[in-house]
Amino acid sequence: EVVLTQSPATLSVSPGDRATLSCRASQSVGSNLAWYQQKPGQAPRLLIYGTSTRATGIPAKFSGSGSGTDFTLSISSLQSEDSAVYYCQQYNYWPQIFGGGTKVEIK
Amino acid sequence: QVQLVQSGAEVKKPGASVKVSCKASGYTFTGYFFHWVRQAPGQGLEWMGIIDPSDGTTHYAQKFQGRMTMTRDASTSTVYMDLSSLRSNDTAMYYCARDQDFGGNPGYWGQGTLVTVSS
Repeated sequence: EVVLTQSPATLSVSPGDRATLSCRASQSVGSNLAWYQQKPGQAPRLLIYGTSTRATGIPAKFSGSGSGTDFTLSISSLQSEDSAVYYCQQYNYWPQIFGGGTKVEIK
Repeated sequence: QVQLVQSGAEVKKPGASVKVSCKASGYTFTGYFFHWVRQAPGQGLEWMGIIDPSDGTTHYAQKFQGRMTMTRDASTSTVYMDLSSLRSNDTAMYYCARDQDFGGNPGYWGQGTLVTVSS
């Protein structure tokens, strides 16, 4: 079973700054990596699929990159509404696995 | 537009079973797979399994094999998740989710169903 390790666990950034979140897989997942945003009391929201393709309605401030085992989610010009937990997920294999999440806090 | 509406919150005793429903609308029901994902209080997301609504084929995460059953009713565009032999650590929000339009990962999510297991 694939293990996804997200880092850091918590990221505190100032408004307007850029955040860089990491997701590392224990074995190659090709490009089948997605990113989700979850705010308190809400269901997850798909941001990125196929490593770098933004889902419908997702602004260009969110971008994904990487391949194989190392992936990155970048969020530019952070605002208060970007405060959330972000999860990566591999869907190259069953079971589809989620990473442990990175909590992004706005200072 | 795609909409997934789940059944309401449940409170169950240890050892009991729970059945959660997820009614889909706004698209052709049989065209996309469904996932079940759960989230214990304050914890991360846990993928449980997947069902093909066109023929009912399922795949379960090994952890839930034998204790979880996913079914579907195409006549009502509804998928179901049955979890048996409940224990306290099954207390969680349970989400159904549909494949996104262009791949095999969840793209559309239901609102969640809180299942509480308590004696």
